Amino acid sequence: DTAVSQTPKYLVTQMGNDKSIKCEQNLGHDTMYWYKQDSKKFLKIMFSYNNKELIINETVPNRFSPKSPDKAHLNLHINSLELGDSAVYFCASSQNSLAKNIQYFGAGTRLSVL
Amino acid sequence: QQQVKQSPQSLIVQKGGISIINCAYENTAFDYFPWYQQFPGKGPALLIAIRPDVSEKKEGRFTISFNKSAKQFSLHIMDSQPGDSATYFCAAARMDSSYKLIFGSGTRLLVRP
Repeated sequence: DTAVSQTPKYLVTQMGNDKSIKCEQNLGHDTMYWYKQDSKKFLKIMFSYNNKELIINETVPNRFSPKSPDKAHLNLHINSLELGDSAVYFCASSQNSLAKNIQYFGAGTRLSVL
Repeated sequence: QQQVKQSPQSLIVQKGGISIINCAYENTAFDYFPWYQQFPGKGPALLIAIRPDVSEKKEGRFTISFNKSAKQFSLHIMDSQPGDSATYFCAAARMDSSYKLIFGSGTRLLVRP
């Protein structure tokens, strides 16, 4: 049973389209994240939700909108896709404490904008 | 501003050798330093982590060395194996309510048989 699952695994689309990526975790964690990994493998946080509340919102174009319908789900909607949005997007989850922050990552969604 | 600097960008080691990856951070408020391992086509997975109250942490063949005064930490992989070939990321975070991980740029490790 996959702990953090993302769909789709691959997404190929045209510039200007709108697309969504879904993420679900079955670990009972209270915090979920979206990361972007570019072609140079650089990994950068985009958003984080804790108990459905947005707690991290990095400098990301407002074309990107996360939505958390419940603690187990965090979806990412992208409007008006641009070439520069091509990357691998990772969802992650964690159950945080003052002692540790173990983030469990999904397998990623490879987005290609043509 | 790159808050966590990682080197080298790539590393080739013979089987049985020691792999060493270094990271330096700028923000003295960071108090949690994990290392993540990523295989091709997979998401990163936590390998080992350290808090600044200790100078070293060892788990099996993997050791983190931490130098608080120099604001540096490193990952040592002893007896490196071909199965260790992956990309390794250091990271840093403040263990406050945001738990935001700042990742280094990654090191591609290749262990030759």
